[in-house]
Amino acid sequence: AQSVAQPEDQVNVAEGNPLTVKCTYSVSGNPYLFWYVQYPNRGLQFLLKYITGDNLVKGSYGFEAEFNKSQTSFHLKKPSALVSDSALYFCAVRDGSNTGKLIFGQGTTLQVKP
Amino acid sequence: GAVVSQHPSRVICKSGTSVKIECRSLDFQATTMFWYRQFPKQSLMLMATSNEGSKATYEQGVEKDKFLINHASLTLSTLTVTSAHPEDSSFYICSAKDRVAGELFFGEGSRLTVL
Repeated sequence: AQSVAQPEDQVNVAEGNPLTVKCTYSVSGNPYLFWYVQYPNRGLQFLLKYITGDNLVKGSYGFEAEFNKSQTSFHLKKPSALVSDSALYFCAVRDGSNTGKLIFGQGTTLQVKP
Repeated sequence: GAVVSQHPSRVICKSGTSVKIECRSLDFQATTMFWYRQFPKQSLMLMATSNEGSKATYEQGVEKDKFLINHASLTLSTLTVTSAHPEDSSFYICSAKDRVAGELFFGEGSRLTVL
């Protein structure tokens, strides 16, 4: 069965510093991986996805993620964090069916301090 | 970009009553919609997959008779929480899959509070 894991409940970073939010995956077949962000009492906003192609994926709001097959990881990164990046981040993998159903990780709260 | 609208965004009801939440795809057709439930500071738990014109597929442990899902058109799916109890209080989020592009879009969520 497809699954993703986010090992950190919370990540703290100072504004202007680079940030990394970790995600590892377990899939059978080719992985379809996603990152979403959620602000309080809001739905999910799509950041980026990896389907195939370049291992470095660039997404919205300056975020990027690196697909690493050997380490089965898909960490989210940003070179310079903003206070407004503080939110809940979810890694997700598409399940093996054709429905498009996503399986989400536990979520990581990112706190960016001024 | 594509928009998925959920209504209501917040609802408070008394225990024992039923509540209906709507999920609409505003500028695309969605043959498949998904309903998730989220507890505070936790991940999204898939409740069911809603298919237009057919019965929903429920995840293990989700009560079909309690969480009624109807997907009567290509742009609308509804989740009805029947005989709601305080433990049903949660944040419910839908997502809709674009029939043509295959992309998935999320609604803004509906917060249900059962008193």
